[in-house]
Amino acid sequence: QQQVKQSPQSLIVQKGGISIINCAYENTAFDYFPWYQQFPGKGPALLIAIRPDVSEKKEGRFTISFNKSAKQFSLHIMDSQPGDSATYFCAASLRSNTGNQFYFGTGTSLTVIP
Amino acid sequence: EAGVTQFPSHSVIEKGQTVTLRCDPISGHDNLYWYRRVMGKEIKFLLHFVKESKQDESGMPNNRFLAERTGGTYSTLKVQPAELEDSGVYFCASSLRDTRVQFFGPGTRLTVL
Repeated sequence: QQQVKQSPQSLIVQKGGISIINCAYENTAFDYFPWYQQFPGKGPALLIAIRPDVSEKKEGRFTISFNKSAKQFSLHIMDSQPGDSATYFCAASLRSNTGNQFYFGTGTSLTVIP
Repeated sequence: EAGVTQFPSHSVIEKGQTVTLRCDPISGHDNLYWYRRVMGKEIKFLLHFVKESKQDESGMPNNRFLAERTGGTYSTLKVQPAELEDSGVYFCASSLRDTRVQFFGPGTRLTVL
């Protein structure tokens, strides 16, 4: 059973446009929600993360919007650039008696057209 | 500072053969995680080491998979015997003891024919 559902699977955006990737979860025990960016041939790299006590976090052109009641969170990339073309993974994490557990979405392949 | 490294980057083996993947975490990172991504699917947790101890191996698919982290430094993941469904990209990630900021390696792409 997939713990984190991510959409869309792929996204094509014009340079300068806004890219939006959505994720949803069910487990209310999740308390940390990171987004990862992966370029071809590289591993996923932490991009930005949020905790459920805030509704929005912004770092440069990247913003996470978090809706606790709907159990949804999304990544917004403003002024998208060709260099943003990558695969993006959302994730959710919780603390358990065996340590921190992480559950990932299926990934979104973003292509930014010049 | 060197990041997480994995070896090999690619491995193509036949069904029934054995493969060993290696991960070198960032120096000083007590936490080491193994994940697998089958094409088009989510990155799925396999297991978690804290130093040399297996903290959580609930994600290991079956007993054909064996992970070790002798001395609490590098880790190996052995698949024996490999099956077709084991194909995918195996990622290793490490983190400091009390943080959730994980650093991923580039992955090993395993293809079982």
